[in-house]
Order: sequence, then C-alpha cells, then structure tokens
Amino acid sequence: AQRVTQPEKLLSVFKGAPVELKCNYSYSGSPELFWYVQYSRQRLQLLLRHISRESIKGFTADLNKGETSFHLKKPFAQEEDSAMYYCAPLAGSSNTGKLIFGQGTTLQVKP
Amino acid sequence: DGGITQSPKYLFRKEGQNVTLSCEQNLNHDAMYWYRQDPGQGLRLIYYSQIVNDFQKGDIAEGYSVSREKKESFPLTVTSAQKNPTAFYLCASTIGGLRRNTEAFFGQGTRLTVV
Repeated sequence: AQRVTQPEKLLSVFKGAPVELKCNYSYSGSPELFWYVQYSRQRLQLLLRHISRESIKGFTADLNKGETSFHLKKPFAQEEDSAMYYCAPLAGSSNTGKLIFGQGTTLQVKP
Repeated sequence: DGGITQSPKYLFRKEGQNVTLSCEQNLNHDAMYWYRQDPGQGLRLIYYSQIVNDFQKGDIAEGYSVSREKKESFPLTVTSAQKNPTAFYLCASTIGGLRRNTEAFFGQGTRLTVV
C-alpha cells in the first residue's frame, strides 16, 4: 500500500539553525516526490520536486531509495520559513492516480 | 487568471443537512481531488477523479459524495451521514492523464462548520 510518513508534527528551531523535515515513503514502482508548503493564510503550493534537483528558498531534498526517504533540508532557517510542510509521492507506471500526502510537519522558526 | 476556485470560503450547516462545496478550475486539468485537513492529521483524501464522469473513493469517503459531469468542476457534497463534518476542505487538480507525476494546484479551501 502507498504510504507517506512524516514523523514529526512540530519542529521548532531557532533562526539560523539547520532544519531537516523528515519524510519516509512506502511505494511500489519508482516514485516521484514533492514537497508542498502552506504559509499562514495562503494556499498550499509546491515547494520543490526531487526530479528537478533544485533548491528553492534555500531548501533541498534528496531522494534516498535505499532508505526510502525524501527529507527536506535547509542549512540556516529563517523566520519566514515558518509554515506547514507536506511530503507527497507519486508513483511511476504503477500509479493509480491517487495523490496522497504525509501528515504534515509544522515548522516553527523562533527569532 | 488560471487556477482553482473554491466557494464559499466559510460555510455553516445545521446538523442533519447536506451541503455542497464548489470547486472549479480553468487549468484544463483532467484530474481533481478533494481533501480534508484537520489539525494534526494532515491532508486526507476523500475522493478523486482522473477524468470526466469517473471518480474513485479516497481514504475517507464515507459520508461524502461527488460528481464529475464537467472537466472543470468537481463538487463535493457533505451528507448528513458524515459523523464529524466540521473541517477545512481543500480541492486540488493536476494535469492527469498519462502525465500523472506533475504538480498539484490547490484552491483556497472551504471551512465548514456544523452548528
């Protein structure tokens, strides 16, 4: 069964500290993974996708197939990073079209 | 402007009544989704549709119903059978079809309160 796990409901760090939001997946086939972010009073939006190997707002995420993880990292957290973050995998050829998300992690960056 | 529009933003319903939440997109997307967002539980999939006139149950479909008569519209009805309907509801869409691994676009959400 498809499953996405974000083990931390809340992650609280001080400004300037490194951040790692964890995501583990259980999936058949070869997934593509995404991170979405929801800032206060804004709609949920794409942050980054692993296939692009991009860095957005200083965030990066590496797909580790051995550990089935897709952790989101940023070396120095900023207060404006405070938001809700969701991990979402989509399978490749075995995809049924069912788009599921992890439980979400609230990142709180303190001044 | 291209995007997804959910209406209304806030909705109040009396117990025992059905209520329909609207979701419209002008992105020409094939796939549409409904989620429920509760504190501490993340996004839970209610129903999804990959193509017009077809839809599938998600993980928490009980007490909900949908229709997909038009490509751009995917209304969600919260029925009186839903035991705990007070929640924030999000609609999303993706290009879908053969291109399934693509970005999802979200509406602003509807906050439903049962009074």
